Formats: sequence, C-alpha cells, structure tokens
Amino acid sequence: ETGVTQSPTHLIKTRGQQVTLRCSSQSGHNTVSWYQQALGQGPQFIFQYYREEENGRGNFPPRFSGLQFPNYSSELNVNALELDDSALYLCASSWRAGGSETQYFGPGTRLLVL
Amino acid sequence: QQQVKQSPQSLIVQKGGISIINCAYENTAFDYFPWYQQFPGKGPALLIAIRPDVSEKKEGRFTISFNKSAKQFSLHIMDSQPGDSATYFCAASTIGGATNKLIFGTGTLLAVQP
Repeated sequence: ETGVTQSPTHLIKTRGQQVTLRCSSQSGHNTVSWYQQALGQGPQFIFQYYREEENGRGNFPPRFSGLQFPNYSSELNVNALELDDSALYLCASSWRAGGSETQYFGPGTRLLVL
Repeated sequence: QQQVKQSPQSLIVQKGGISIINCAYENTAFDYFPWYQQFPGKGPALLIAIRPDVSEKKEGRFTISFNKSAKQFSLHIMDSQPGDSATYFCAASTIGGATNKLIFGTGTLLAVQP
C-alpha cells in the first residue's frame, strides 16, 4: 500500500505567477483535501475533492482552485501568486464512506513566492 | 466557533517524563478529535484519535483524555523520549458532515531532553 505522495517537494515562484501542485492519494482512498500551513502555524483547510467535484471550501479566494481525476489524484492551482502564499501545501487523502474519518497527509510541497 | 485552542505553545520535558498538551473547542458538532505529530520538513502523521463516546483512549505511550462537558481534550505522552521531539497538533472535525475538514490547533513544539 503506497502512501500519499506530492510533487514537487520545493518550488520557487515570483509574485503574479501561477503554480500547480500535484497529489497522489493513498491506495484505496477516494477523497483528497488540501491544506496550507504557514510557518509556525497549524494547517488551514483550503478545499476537499470527492468524486471529482469540490466538496467544501475554506476561507481561501477563488484564485485557489483544484481538480480531482478519475484515479483520485488531485491538483491544486494558485493563480496570481502573492508573497503570503509562501507556505507548505499539504495534501491529505481519506476514504469517504458514510463520512470519511482519518486523513493521511503527504510530505507537502514547500512554496516560496519572491 | 470553529477554533481549536491549543496550549502550551512549547514544552520542554526530561527523558522519561510525562508530556501533556491541552486543547479546547467550542463547536459541539465536532465528533472526531485526532492528534498529529509533525517532524521538521515532513507532513503531519496521525498519532491517535478519539470519538466523544469515550473518555480515554490509550495506544502504547500515548493517551487521549476527553472531557465532553468541558469541551476539552488532551494528549499525554508517557515515558517521553528524545525521538518524541516534534510539533504536535490537535484537530477536530465533524464526521458525516458535508465536508470532513480538519480544524487544527496552533501546535505545540515538544523538546525532550536526554
């Protein structure tokens, strides 16, 4: 059983650029959630994908968008990058069956916006 | 009402001692309370979790104590070891809701001195 994987591990962008982060869910999981973790803070929920549709969103602007593919992998896209977008972006997968429970996190993508 | 408050912010414990981290919540709809352990440069890893129908759950050296009436829960690490040095996050969510998003505390940086 493979765990949650994310790519790339690190990324440097400049303000105004666009970025795409990728996540492969753990084998057997059908739900993917994305979180943003600023330095020294707890992860903040961005959104969740289930059956290839957004299934809940946190307090993040529309320039944060995502996709889920038929194999349950997912992408997080951020447009018009701002300096405050610098953070660790975490993907978590889970199995939604009558209410998903345990979320398993990947190692994250460290994004630095200059 | 969506917040989870965590204390202390940092904790220093001698090897073999007991580490105690506390969390409090307001939203009575929360019904799943996991603890995550995070090492530098890594994603959070699930340590132990509890549902509100029990007051205590123990797994090895890790114990969650849950007080539903006070809306508080805590993590106890018995016989703390230097390898336990990490950041610990409590979290809360609502199982079966439209979105099983995790609301995280702000984290506790634990240092276990040899």
